[in-house]
Amino acid sequence: QQPVQSPQAVILREGEDAVINCSSSKALYSVHWYRQKHGEAPVFLMILLKGGEQKGHDKISASFNEKKQQSSLYLTASQLSYSGTYFCGTDPNAGGTSYGKLTFGQGTILTVHP
Amino acid sequence: SQTIHQWPATLVQPVGSPLSLECTVEGTSNPNLYWYRQAAGRGLQLLFYSVGIGQISSEVPQNLSASRPQDRQFILSSKKLLLSDSGFYLCAWSGQGGFQPQHFGDGTRLSIL
Repeated sequence: QQPVQSPQAVILREGEDAVINCSSSKALYSVHWYRQKHGEAPVFLMILLKGGEQKGHDKISASFNEKKQQSSLYLTASQLSYSGTYFCGTDPNAGGTSYGKLTFGQGTILTVHP
Repeated sequence: SQTIHQWPATLVQPVGSPLSLECTVEGTSNPNLYWYRQAAGRGLQLLFYSVGIGQISSEVPQNLSASRPQDRQFILSSKKLLLSDSGFYLCAWSGQGGFQPQHFGDGTRLSIL
């Protein structure tokens, strides 16, 4: 089943923060986050594993709440380059049975204005 | 470093015509390979994945098929295209084992007339 992302779209000014949520009705073992700019291929951001800690690089970080089966992506002090569509991909399988079969959410469109 | 090549970038085909999209990966061996379709303004739908030569798993029943004739080559085919086959097709690769990031090719924009 497809995970649900919220919000569907968000508009920011440079320097503002945003949170994108990804919720699943199935138990998850890993959540992947990708960013896709218009007309381009998705680019990998990070993977979060069940039982793992919050991850991040630069001003983008993410967390994984096992009880809620939800992951959140945090973008702080947004830059123009953060604009794009953010997708979460979920995998209910543990390492030995995971072949990277991801189910992606419908995407969240993030627009950052000067 | 690893690179993934996908072609053609755009394709316009009539209904009922055949299809062949090719994807190759360089700089790695025995990758997992994936074909996705993305409808306009929508998310990514996994069509096929492969964990080795000749091994193909289909995720969605349809009139498309995939083949992996060589370790780093993945082909998406159809004998007769339907209007509903229009979309943005993306090939991706990842390392073996679980929890590997997927790296996408530049995609093929397919329009069916």
